Amino acid sequence: IAGITQAPTSQILAAGRRMTLRCTQDMRHNAMYWYRQDLGLGLRLIHYSNTAGTTGKGEVPDGYSVSRANTDDFPLTLASAVPSQTSVYFCASSDSTRGDTGELFFGEGSRLTVL
Amino acid sequence: KNQVEQSPQSLIILEGKNCTLQCNYTVSPFSNLRWYKQDTGRGPVSLTIMTFSENTKSNGRYTATLDADTKQSSLHITASQLSDSASYICVVSTAGNNRKLIWGLGTSLAVNP
Repeated sequence: IAGITQAPTSQILAAGRRMTLRCTQDMRHNAMYWYRQDLGLGLRLIHYSNTAGTTGKGEVPDGYSVSRANTDDFPLTLASAVPSQTSVYFCASSDSTRGDTGELFFGEGSRLTVL
Repeated sequence: KNQVEQSPQSLIILEGKNCTLQCNYTVSPFSNLRWYKQDTGRGPVSLTIMTFSENTKSNGRYTATLDADTKQSSLHITASQLSDSASYICVVSTAGNNRKLIWGLGTSLAVNP
């Protein structure tokens, strides 16, 4: 049982480069989320999707975009990476359309370093 | 402002000892409260969920309590093991049409042999 799969596990990239973090789930959950986790700041919601075809902005959406073409995939794109986007990124899913009250299932994270 | 505060920020205990982690929240309207365990380098995993009507819930050696009047929750770990070393994160969900998750910063627990 894979659950949530994120790729890459880690990446170093130069500032100004475009980067897409991939997220795939095999649980058929309708809601998916992207969080970033920084020391001292905890988990912060970047973008979410309550169902395929819809997306919404979270707490820190600037500089990031997402798409939800189907139920399983929820990629996160940094159009032009900046050093402040250095972080650990977690993708998560839940099985409720009102996903904020459902249990979140997290991937193992993608560690991104922007130089 | 909706907030979740956890204490202590970090804790070191010896294997076999018990410990209690605290979570205070000022979230309204309240829906539920979850505790997650996050091992180093891994994603968080849910330990337990507490709803408004629940006072105590156990999951093996983990026991969570909720006092909705004082807006406090605790996570008690009994007979700690080395594998309990992790960060424990409290998250409160709001109720209503615009539901949100309010995350605490976590308590970092180290269990030493």
